[in-house]
Amino acid sequence: EAGVAQSPRYKIIEKRQSVAFWCNPISGHATLYWYQQILGQGPKLLIQFQNNGVVDDSQLPKDRFSAERLKGVDSTLKIQPAKLEDSAVYLCASSFRLLSTGELFFGEGSRLTVL
Amino acid sequence: AQSVTQPDIHITVSEGASLELRCNYSYGATPYLFWYVQSPGQGLQLLLKYFSGDTLVQGIKGFEAEFKRSQSSFNLRKPSVHWSDAAEYFCAVVGGKLIFGQGTELSVKP
Repeated sequence: EAGVAQSPRYKIIEKRQSVAFWCNPISGHATLYWYQQILGQGPKLLIQFQNNGVVDDSQLPKDRFSAERLKGVDSTLKIQPAKLEDSAVYLCASSFRLLSTGELFFGEGSRLTVL
Repeated sequence: AQSVTQPDIHITVSEGASLELRCNYSYGATPYLFWYVQSPGQGLQLLLKYFSGDTLVQGIKGFEAEFKRSQSSFNLRKPSVHWSDAAEYFCAVVGGKLIFGQGTELSVKP
């Protein structure tokens, strides 16, 4: 079974530039999550989709971050414009059903460095 | 609000020695608790989970964890550590969403 795919693995940009990350979840998984992991911290949920609808985006900085999951499969997370504090690993995860009893499967992450 | 505390940022153990990683949670009801492991450059992998029932749960790679409601703890243990266990370990609780602790980095001495 193929795992969660993410790209790019690494990205270096200047502040105020834009960047986009892509995620393809495990086939058949209805729920998709984007987490931000800053060095030395645990992952923090940015946004959670159930199919193509948003379940929770309470911690997404909506003035600069956006995410979509068209057709309820793959997803894109965008940052525009980037700030220095956005340097982090962006983890995508998926689960068969909503979180409450399910296990999350994580991709390898996309590491963003903002200079 | 739900939260998870991992008191130890970094732990070093000798190969073959036993291991215990501490986790304390804050949650009003019966929690769903997890331990995940993250190897360098990798995503997180589930080690074990607790939903209800037996308070001692077994996971993959020889890990186990014990849920103690009276202490609000869910400590991870392994009787004999292998060099390949060196990684970052995250405790997490479900409170509407999966909330992670800050992680404990495990180093293994030969």
